[in-house]
Amino acid sequence: AQKITQTQPGMFVQEKEAVTLDCTYDTSDQSYGLFWYKQPSSGEMIFLIYQGSYDEQNATEGRYSLNFQKARKSANLVISASQLGDSAMYFCAMREGLDAGNMLTFGGGTRLMVKP
Amino acid sequence: DARVTQTPRHKVTEMGQEVTMRCQPILGHNTVFWYRQTMMQGLELLAYFRNRAPLDDSGMPKDRFSAEMPDATLATLKIQPSEPRDSAVYFCASAKDRGYEQYFGPGTRLTVT
Repeated sequence: AQKITQTQPGMFVQEKEAVTLDCTYDTSDQSYGLFWYKQPSSGEMIFLIYQGSYDEQNATEGRYSLNFQKARKSANLVISASQLGDSAMYFCAMREGLDAGNMLTFGGGTRLMVKP
Repeated sequence: DARVTQTPRHKVTEMGQEVTMRCQPILGHNTVFWYRQTMMQGLELLAYFRNRAPLDDSGMPKDRFSAEMPDATLATLKIQPSEPRDSAVYFCASAKDRGYEQYFGPGTRLTVT
């Protein structure tokens, strides 16, 4: 069974608008971490934001925020005020357990394209 | 600005040849991961090490792949013999136990013809 599901293979957004990228996860662990990574066309994996399962507040990092709905097992990424440089692949990932030394399981990714 | 480094960045080789990819984790990170990215399978874990000891290599084809950490500053992933289906981007990532983030290297893009 898929542990991380990203249902949007591709999305368009108008520059300066906000966009939400969906991610649902499946785990029976109580302790886990959720991540979003950005992969631009250059290929590197850039860490964007992290949410721990015990964090009560939604994580925010600049223009990125993570809409964490634990009961629904969703961890959507919200990008506010989209920029052309936001065009990239975005991956949601989960780590079971809170130890950074545990492996990440990735979703299939969403390709975001920002229109000028 | 500490980074994970990987060499080579690109490798083109013929089927049957040996390929060795190297990774230098961030100094002080004690956990190292190897991931592979393909269009068909996405990002998948191949192996990982903690304090240089292999913890999980179940994602790796054992007959042709091997991963080692000869010392704390070097991780290697070897394919022998290589096959066209091994063509992919191979990422190394490192982490500290008490942190939460895995830091990815730039990847090695492998093409096997």
